[in-house]
Amino acid sequence: QKEVEQNSGPLSVPEGAIASLNCTYSDRGSQSFFWYRQYSGKSPELIMSIYSNGDKEDGRFTAQLNKASQYVSLLIRDSQPSDSATYLCAVNIRNTGNQFYFGTGTSLTVIP
Amino acid sequence: DAGVIQSPRHEVTEMGQEVTLRCKPISGHDYLFWYRQTMMRGLELLIYFNNNVPIDDSGMPEDRFSAKMPNASFSTLKIQPSEPRDSAVYFCASSLAGRTQETQYFGPGTRLLVL
Repeated sequence: QKEVEQNSGPLSVPEGAIASLNCTYSDRGSQSFFWYRQYSGKSPELIMSIYSNGDKEDGRFTAQLNKASQYVSLLIRDSQPSDSATYLCAVNIRNTGNQFYFGTGTSLTVIP
Repeated sequence: DAGVIQSPRHEVTEMGQEVTLRCKPISGHDYLFWYRQTMMRGLELLIYFNNNVPIDDSGMPEDRFSAKMPNASFSTLKIQPSEPRDSAVYFCASSLAGRTQETQYFGPGTRLLVL
């Protein structure tokens, strides 16, 4: 079992719709969770971090964390074609140092 | 700040040759990470350093890979000898210590092709 699992997709949504991306993790001791966006041919860039159960909103993005169920999700409201990218979930599992485990990513396409 | 700097951006080499990838972390960051990304395996952590000291190299695939960080502003990842299966994008990332400062900032990557 991988430490961090994501559906690889591809996920396609029409412009203006809500895109929902999900991630599960294996270590209950994990405390730090991150969503990175990676455009084709580019490096990953952080879009959200979340540390506590519940929702965290930043503009059109909402990260949701449920530690009891060991999942973290990312909602993108009013999806735009520019949101088309691969979204990587990352978890600081061991909570020592800053070592992350990344999921394999979910490819999102927003259709105009 | 210039961000994480990596060189070269592209490297094409022949099997058996030595390859050296270079990274300059963001000034003041005390963690440095080397990742490899392929379509099949996604983003894999190879090794990371804290204050120039290697902390975990369990992701280094084999003895052909080695990494050094001689000072706080420079790190290298060396592959010797290189093989076609080493073809991938290699990313360097850096971060600060501390829970709310642990965001990793990635460099632009080095695209390596071993023929």
